[in-house]
Amino acid sequence: DVKVTQSSRYLVKRTGEKVFLECVQDMDHENMFWYRQDPGLGLRLIYFSYDVKMKEKGDIPEGYSVSREKKERFSLILESASTNQTSMYLCASSNYPLGGIDTDTQYFGPGTRLTVL
Amino acid sequence: QKEVEQDPGPLSVPEGAIVSLNCTYSNSAFQYFMWYRQYSRKGPELLMYTYSSGNKEDGRFTAQVDKSSKYISLFIRDSQPSDSATYLCAMKTDSWGKLQFGAGTQVVVTP
Repeated sequence: DVKVTQSSRYLVKRTGEKVFLECVQDMDHENMFWYRQDPGLGLRLIYFSYDVKMKEKGDIPEGYSVSREKKERFSLILESASTNQTSMYLCASSNYPLGGIDTDTQYFGPGTRLTVL
Repeated sequence: QKEVEQDPGPLSVPEGAIVSLNCTYSNSAFQYFMWYRQYSRKGPELLMYTYSSGNKEDGRFTAQVDKSSKYISLFIRDSQPSDSATYLCAMKTDSWGKLQFGAGTQVVVTP
């Protein structure tokens, strides 16, 4: 079974703090993703990575950065947390789409609910 | 306007009923369509994955894609209380494309 784990289920931080969200996958997947999920807006892609040390901006990268030093680990960084970054953060991983549909299925972690006060 | 529209619900049905969920989209280049199920306090998990138009069936679940109308549907037959969850549609233009998600529909199946 694919397993994607996230470092915290719940996190409370203060405005201006630097926040690290960690994600680890155990299936040797090349691709990793960070999304945020807000009511009425669904999942929105923040950043993704196709390989170690590679990163690409998603649809809403402002206020975030990422780090991928090892294949299995993808970190999301909020340099200076703000209240509008209060959200559910979901990490996902997948293989390259190299053989038929659903080989690139994204597998999600349980999420981190971040509250910024 | 969002690329993918989905009614947030909640949709409440009695056990045994057919659940009908749908999404509309504006980008005619979408070719890969997925449905994810998300239980409370969990991450989404893939239910159905289809390419282009047509139907796909898996047990009690049927996914339909109508590209001419830019409309996809998920049907759940003989619904069970364990089907109570949020269902998210997702789609992308090509195999390397980014997924675009709908907002999700909350489904409640009452015993």
